[in-house]
Amino acid sequence: GAVVSQHPSWVICKSGTSVKIECRSLDFQATTMFWYRQFPKQSLMLMATSNEGSKATYEQGVEKDKFLINHASLTLSTLTVTSAHPEDSSFYICSARNPDRPSYGYTFGSGTRLTVV
Amino acid sequence: GENVEQHPSTLSVQEGDSAVIKCTYSDSASNYFPWYKQELGKGPQLIIDIRSNVGEKKDQRIAVTLNKTAKHFSLHITETQPEDSAVYFCAASRGAAGNKLTFGGGTRVLVKP
Repeated sequence: GAVVSQHPSWVICKSGTSVKIECRSLDFQATTMFWYRQFPKQSLMLMATSNEGSKATYEQGVEKDKFLINHASLTLSTLTVTSAHPEDSSFYICSARNPDRPSYGYTFGSGTRLTVV
Repeated sequence: GENVEQHPSTLSVQEGDSAVIKCTYSDSASNYFPWYKQELGKGPQLIIDIRSNVGEKKDQRIAVTLNKTAKHFSLHITETQPEDSAVYFCAASRGAAGNKLTFGGGTRVLVKP
């Protein structure tokens, strides 16, 4: 299988607080997960590649201290938006691929709508 | 790095007609090309994909073609239905499980009843 679950589906937080988003692979082990950000009517922008048991690889221009990624197990990666500001409001989506089922392709979570007020 | 361009950005078709979306990529090492459908407020869903050892793949009303020499691939939707209305994204990757996808800019498809 290749089911990816993302939680929460939406969250509203106050400026200055931190928010954690979870991404779980339900029926496979994912050594690698990906975190994307999507602004309204735009494409998906890769933020970082999450590697189980090691540090995440961030794309150019993404602040690693602001977007903390933890991939402590083979089925869970978390993205924490620290000291959130209104400009961090966006749609965040995670993705993973079952390495034992490459024909299934990359599966995406249902996304998390973050609104910072 | 990889760069994927997608056209058109919007496409309006009459129900029953065909829709074609085209993408070009820059990295000749890319060998996996998926297409995703994204409905409002949801994550992208894989609708079809193709690997570089295949020139064409079809799944009911959806087909994808790949021209490796020209580095472009296309999505074809026949007999469009209102439920096909969504945003479609093409992507490219070098294909291994840990390799990232690079997305095109997306095409907003509207199927008019």
